[in-house]
Amino acid sequence: AQTVTQSQPEMSVQEAETVTLSCTYDTSENNYYLFWYKQPPSRQMILVIRQEAYKQQNATENRFSVNFQKAAKSFSLKISDSQLGDTAMYFCAFLQGAQKLVFGQGTRLTINP
Amino acid sequence: DTEVTQTPKHLVMGMTNKKSLKCEQHMGHRAMYWYKQKAKKPPELMFVYSYEKLSINESVPSRFSPECPNSSLLNLHLHALQPEDSALYLCASSHGTSGGETQYFGPGTRLLVL
Repeated sequence: AQTVTQSQPEMSVQEAETVTLSCTYDTSENNYYLFWYKQPPSRQMILVIRQEAYKQQNATENRFSVNFQKAAKSFSLKISDSQLGDTAMYFCAFLQGAQKLVFGQGTRLTINP
Repeated sequence: DTEVTQTPKHLVMGMTNKKSLKCEQHMGHRAMYWYKQKAKKPPELMFVYSYEKLSINESVPSRFSPECPNSSLLNLHLHALQPEDSALYLCASSHGTSGGETQYFGPGTRLLVL
């Protein structure tokens, strides 16, 4: 079974700084999909970014980008120019098969004013 | 529009009660999911419906009974729950299940079992 590991339980940065959240995973598959979701205090799980393993180019969505290292099985999330609204729990997730999302334990990110 | 709605937002029930959670999407998605999330933990998959048929049951106790009346609606029927079933129940949907489909989540129902 696939496993997803997020080694940073909590992180805290100042507003406007850049922060990188780490994620590693374990799989024997060659084609797969990875996601970052954020869950603010409102508890709504919101998609941040997705990456297809067959694509070499790292995904980018505005201030959010990933560093996908397939050989190292690493999938980190970089948030540039962090904003107070970025405060949330961030989950890295691996899509196992076609339907099952396997989540990491999460990183609680706090953006301080 | 990537909206998944869930009702109710909060639910308190006794161990002998029967209640239902409702999830709805109007994005034309053909796969719908139930996840359970305990406090300070990641979501865990419970059930998957694909084209209105149950395709995955992650060994969930029978006191949880899912139902998919049509492609837009997903219910979770609750009966004789235990206090340890208290959690946030998240519904999600995706376009299909052919592989790589992004799952979009609803806001969840926070359930407390007394």
